[in-house]
Amino acid sequence: QKEVEQNSGPLSVPEGAIASLNCTYSDRVSQSFFWYRQYSGKSPELIMSIYSNGDKEDGRFTAQLNKASQYVSLLIRDSQPSDSATYLCAVNDRADGLTFGKGTHLIIQP
Amino acid sequence: EPEVTQTPSHQVTQMGQEVILRCVPISNHLYFYWYRQILGQKVEFLVSFYNNEISEKSEIFDDQFSVERPDGSNFTLKIRSTKLEDSAMYFCASSIDKKNIQYFGAGTRLSVL
Repeated sequence: QKEVEQNSGPLSVPEGAIASLNCTYSDRVSQSFFWYRQYSGKSPELIMSIYSNGDKEDGRFTAQLNKASQYVSLLIRDSQPSDSATYLCAVNDRADGLTFGKGTHLIIQP
Repeated sequence: EPEVTQTPSHQVTQMGQEVILRCVPISNHLYFYWYRQILGQKVEFLVSFYNNEISEKSEIFDDQFSVERPDGSNFTLKIRSTKLEDSAMYFCASSIDKKNIQYFGAGTRLSVL
């Protein structure tokens, strides 16, 4: 059974601080990794994709991938109240479909 | 910006009835997907579709489910005889190729009574 594990939270971070979200996955041959943001009652919205080891930065967001440790993380710098949402880690560990984690509920405190 | 569109936004049905959920993927995308999310649970893969046939399906996608691309733009999910446990948000997604980014529609909330 392929698994994607996330701490469900809630993770509470002061406004302006760095939020750090973590994810581990079980399938060693996975090649594509994604972070989606989901507001309550809404659909997943892509934040970052990462395919190779190391860091990938896009604005306030940095994704980090360590395939040896089977670990993906997302850093959000200068956290804003609008960043409050559930962050979903998704791994392309199937032929086509994504396996999602349960998500981490992030709360940015003003 | 191109987007995946889904209709209806909310579907209410009686147990045992058939429902069809509709999706219009992004026009130049070649892979289409259905996912579901039961309230409070994680997003689960149901099926992928490529070149007019099912490419992959999960263990959830049993004989009660079917998918179709009836024309050049629409992609549908049919549930033949709905059960109470089919109540969930159903998301359609599309991607240019199978390892690339999947873009999600706004979803259809299915309520089975």
